[in-house]
Amino acid sequence: DTGVSQNPRHKITKRGQNVTFRCDPISEHNRLYWYRQTLGQGPEFLTYFQNEAQLEKSRLLSDRFSAERPKGSFSTLEIQRTEQGDSAMYLCASSPGGREVNYGYTFGSGTRLTVV
Amino acid sequence: KQEVTQIPAALSVPEGENLVLNCSFTDSAIYNLQWFRQDPGKGLTSLLLIQSSQREQTSGRLNASLDKSSGRSTLYIAASQPGDSATYLCAVRRRGFGNEKLTFGTGTRLTIIP
Repeated sequence: DTGVSQNPRHKITKRGQNVTFRCDPISEHNRLYWYRQTLGQGPEFLTYFQNEAQLEKSRLLSDRFSAERPKGSFSTLEIQRTEQGDSAMYLCASSPGGREVNYGYTFGSGTRLTVV
Repeated sequence: KQEVTQIPAALSVPEGENLVLNCSFTDSAIYNLQWFRQDPGKGLTSLLLIQSSQREQTSGRLNASLDKSSGRSTLYIAASQPGDSATYLCAVRRRGFGNEKLTFGTGTRLTIIP
């Protein structure tokens, strides 16, 4: 297992187009998280899954955003009708979860989205 | 609402010096604090995870301390090298409702001068 994998690494799209990103977590991790990071800022939480269930969504996740984790393995994040303000680094992370609460998070390399 | 602050925002030091990065948080009800490194345009690499019951963690030339009651953590880097140049982020995981998410600081951009 090589850690959390995200694809694509970079995406340039025209305003108004739809984009989809994929995240493959560490295989034994049942929790998966999406964060967004804009230039000069720390990452901000968007949403997380425990197995296939989406348990929390941030108010940052407008109705143009949708995330899925259909079989509790990989996840996709789709942005519809992209806007220039969506330009950011989208980071995925996973963690083992379970009864032990003091676990850390492993992040992927991110997908850099540029909306032109 | 948890707020995390990192000071300074940027730091430049000559190679070989020891240095300290600071992180403060407003709500001491946390499970743990994690330090990450981020190279330009890249994802986050975990450096150290320190639990709320711990005072410090060490990995190689890195040492992280935690004073939960005062809401502070420091990351000490010994004998700095040019390869240490990166942005360093701290993140806390709070207890209670919403405890699955991390709250990040805005980072300290470190430059090691050869």
